[in-house]
Amino acid sequence: GESVGLHLPTLSVQEGDNSIINCAYSNSASDYFIWYKQESGKGPQFIIDIRSNMDKRQGQRVTVLLNKTVKHLSLQIAATQPGDSAVYFCAEPFGGKLIFGQGTELSVKP
Amino acid sequence: GAVVSQHPSRVICKSGTSVKIECRSLDFQATTMFWYRQFPKQSLMLMATSNEGSKATYEQGVEKDKFLINHASLTLSTLTVTSAHPEDSSFYICSAPPRDTTNSPLHFGNGTRLTVT
Repeated sequence: GESVGLHLPTLSVQEGDNSIINCAYSNSASDYFIWYKQESGKGPQFIIDIRSNMDKRQGQRVTVLLNKTVKHLSLQIAATQPGDSAVYFCAEPFGGKLIFGQGTELSVKP
Repeated sequence: GAVVSQHPSRVICKSGTSVKIECRSLDFQATTMFWYRQFPKQSLMLMATSNEGSKATYEQGVEKDKFLINHASLTLSTLTVTSAHPEDSSFYICSAPPRDTTNSPLHFGNGTRLTVT
């Protein structure tokens, strides 16, 4: 759901480690989810999406897992690199609009 | 891929003046565009939905007379912040779906950093 006014949680990982970013959603009827990456001073950039008829979807170095039972979504980044440092948002369509989750700021230590 | 262009990327204006931000879909037509606002260290908040050929629909709490939206063509939407005040300083981002939002991800512009002095 929408998270206006809340400050971003942060995740700090060592370069080369795997990162896991989590997102909870509230609408059990949601059937499509998207992960975006937002670098400082830029607009969100599409990473990967998943539909509710899937539990897992893999991209290049990224995997999204969907657990509909507990309404939870996660983004896994393998072998995290400094260029992965950004804010990551999950988003879901709702009433014809795209609503963003709270977001997580990922910081990669060299 | 689909590209959304936003202009200007940064603008500084004096309190009481108006600022216009443009959002263009470069290689596709968009009957709908969305305007978001983002304060530092926070998520994107949807302000309004711009509809080509009809009035924009605003989210609760967003003043339509202050944030004027005009969807002039299938490739251009503008957001005008009227009588800007320092509290309007924010990062404004537009987006457009290449197809129905529920079936494909939105594409975003690179945002406009508005600073009101």
